[in-house]
Amino acid sequence: DGGITQSPKYLFRKEGQNVTLSCEQNLNHDAMYWYRQDPGQGLRLIYYSQIVNDFQKGDIAEGYSVSREKKESFPLTVTSAQKNPTAFYLCASSIQSGVAGDYEQYFGPGTRLTVT
Amino acid sequence: SQQGEEDPQALSIQEGENATMNCSYKTSINNLQWYRQNSGRGLVHLILIRSNEREKHSGRLRVTLDTSKKSSSLLITASRAADTASYFCATDARNQFYFGTGTSLTVIP
Repeated sequence: DGGITQSPKYLFRKEGQNVTLSCEQNLNHDAMYWYRQDPGQGLRLIYYSQIVNDFQKGDIAEGYSVSREKKESFPLTVTSAQKNPTAFYLCASSIQSGVAGDYEQYFGPGTRLTVT
Repeated sequence: SQQGEEDPQALSIQEGENATMNCSYKTSINNLQWYRQNSGRGLVHLILIRSNEREKHSGRLRVTLDTSKKSSSLLITASRAADTASYFCATDARNQFYFGTGTSLTVIP
């Protein structure tokens, strides 16, 4: 079964603790992404990676860190420096589709993080 | 910053009616994509339209793109209760995606 898995589905942490969200894909996609979604809002890009051992900051990277040591894995760490970490986090991957330059994204089911 | 803005924010229709939602964006794009999100789930890709295309169909979906106005519309024909979801446009500029704020569609059986 091909796809993207994120674990856990729900995560609870105390303020001041770092927490790592898992994202794994077996689609053999090169590019992977992390988004944050707040209630009633769209997705905001945190980090993305187009190849192994390389990643780029998105619009809201402050307080987050990532690694891309393997093609299939792109974990996201929410650090204590992130002021409002409670949110729904979505991981995605993409592969070129159709004509050169067209990419569609495949999303995982998301992790809902609550920090109190 | 988010590229796309959807309009309306929320839409409620009767089953069998058509649903139209619009998306505006800010800069030049390679393509524009529409995604669907059921409550509390990940997004699912619906359709992609390239910057040199004006209209595209897929099943009950019809997408238009007007690059001069930097806008797109998604039409869902003969809506079903199962179409109830949030719909997002996403613009693709060199493999960076920017999502709009979404339209929440409710289809009443």
